[in-house]
Amino acid sequence: KNQVEQSPQSLIILEGKNCTLQCNYTVSPFSNLRWYKQDTGRGPVSLTIMTFSENTKSNGRYTATLDADTKQSSLHITASQLSDSASYICVVSAGPNDMRFGAGTRLTVKP
Amino acid sequence: EAGVVQSPRYKIIEKKQPVAFWCNPISGHNTLYWYLQNLGQGPELLIRYENEEAVDDSQLPKDRFSAERLKGVDSTLKIQPAELGDSAVYLCASSLSGTTNYNEQFFGPGTRLTVL
Repeated sequence: KNQVEQSPQSLIILEGKNCTLQCNYTVSPFSNLRWYKQDTGRGPVSLTIMTFSENTKSNGRYTATLDADTKQSSLHITASQLSDSASYICVVSAGPNDMRFGAGTRLTVKP
Repeated sequence: EAGVVQSPRYKIIEKKQPVAFWCNPISGHNTLYWYLQNLGQGPELLIRYENEEAVDDSQLPKDRFSAERLKGVDSTLKIQPAELGDSAVYLCASSLSGTTNYNEQFFGPGTRLTVL
């Protein structure tokens, strides 16, 4: 069973709308959690990273939250744009080189 | 600064044929990773190098897959012979270990392999 579960599997929204992607994990110990954006045909690119003591981290219109007690994270996208269409992957690290990848959420933003 | 470079970007071969992928990491990055990514899934680690040493190859199917990182810079991943189930995207990533950036990995664009 994957230790990093993401939901929903896919999501379609209209341009300009907000959306929230979820990541639940059981990885232990916990070092940090990253959200990656992967455009079609490209490699993943890091959006945010949060350590145990951080509750929220923003990167432009992207805001990630972390609840280390419940082992949940979310990625909120504000005022979506067509270029936000991509897969968003949650990655939880148990150590410097022990990274567990979620399956990703496929977001489609329509005009 | 150039990112992680991979070639070829696409490869179509018939089953039982050999295939090789090449990766040039970001200059100065000592750690190099090869991942396999199936459609709709997250990347799965195949092998991790620290400089020229393979420090984690536990998920590499050694009967048909091999990798090398001579001189601790660029790397080659080989499959011989390829099977239908090997069709996937092969991602290369690099990072600079021992810094305060929590080993952020920088990914290449990947090589999409199709085995017919």
